[in-house]
Amino acid sequence: KQEVTQIPAALSVPEGENLVLNCSFTDSAIYNLQWFRQDPGKGLTSLLLIQSSQREQTSGRLNASLDKSSGRSTLYIAASQPGDSATYLCAMSEMNTGFQKLVFGTGTRLLVSP
Amino acid sequence: EAQVTQNPRYLITVTGKKLTVTCSQNMNHEYMSWYRQDPGLGLRQIYYSMNVEVTDKGDVPEGYKVSRKEKRNFPLILESPSPNQTSLYFCASSLSLGEETQYFGPGTRLLVL
Repeated sequence: KQEVTQIPAALSVPEGENLVLNCSFTDSAIYNLQWFRQDPGKGLTSLLLIQSSQREQTSGRLNASLDKSSGRSTLYIAASQPGDSATYLCAMSEMNTGFQKLVFGTGTRLLVSP
Repeated sequence: EAQVTQNPRYLITVTGKKLTVTCSQNMNHEYMSWYRQDPGLGLRQIYYSMNVEVTDKGDVPEGYKVSRKEKRNFPLILESPSPNQTSLYFCASSLSLGEETQYFGPGTRLLVL
């Protein structure tokens, strides 16, 4: 069974810092991996989607990488801003379950202070 | 605006009183699913639907029912709610499986007394 771990569970940084969020998974037979952002009282917003044949995706100040052989993905946030404060979740769809669901990590809660 | 909507957003009920949480998407998506989110357990899939009249169980289907009579709607039914179903529920949809980003609704916070 796929196990997804996100480290750290919580992170507090001052505005302007570059930071890295980590996502580790045990089964490398994944179809794709997504990073989501969750704000209190709101749903999940997809940030980046990496297909299994890709190694990274970029959107603005965000860059996500995927290394299936080591079972790791990282989300890099450049020049962090208070508006980046949220919980960040990684999730993957697996080949052996026919892509019907996403398996989620438990998230990293990020607080960016002004 | 492309979106997934859920109603109600907040609900307090008592054990055994049947309830339905509605989910609707306006993107003509084929795939829809329901998740619950609990502290320390993350999001877990309850049911999913590949298309109209095609539904199947996820990881935690016990105590829930779903239906997919129309493409845009995917209601979640709790026929006899129990306190262990107190949770935050999310509906999600995507155009198809695998290739596409999943879009999530805003969530329904349910408390069963």
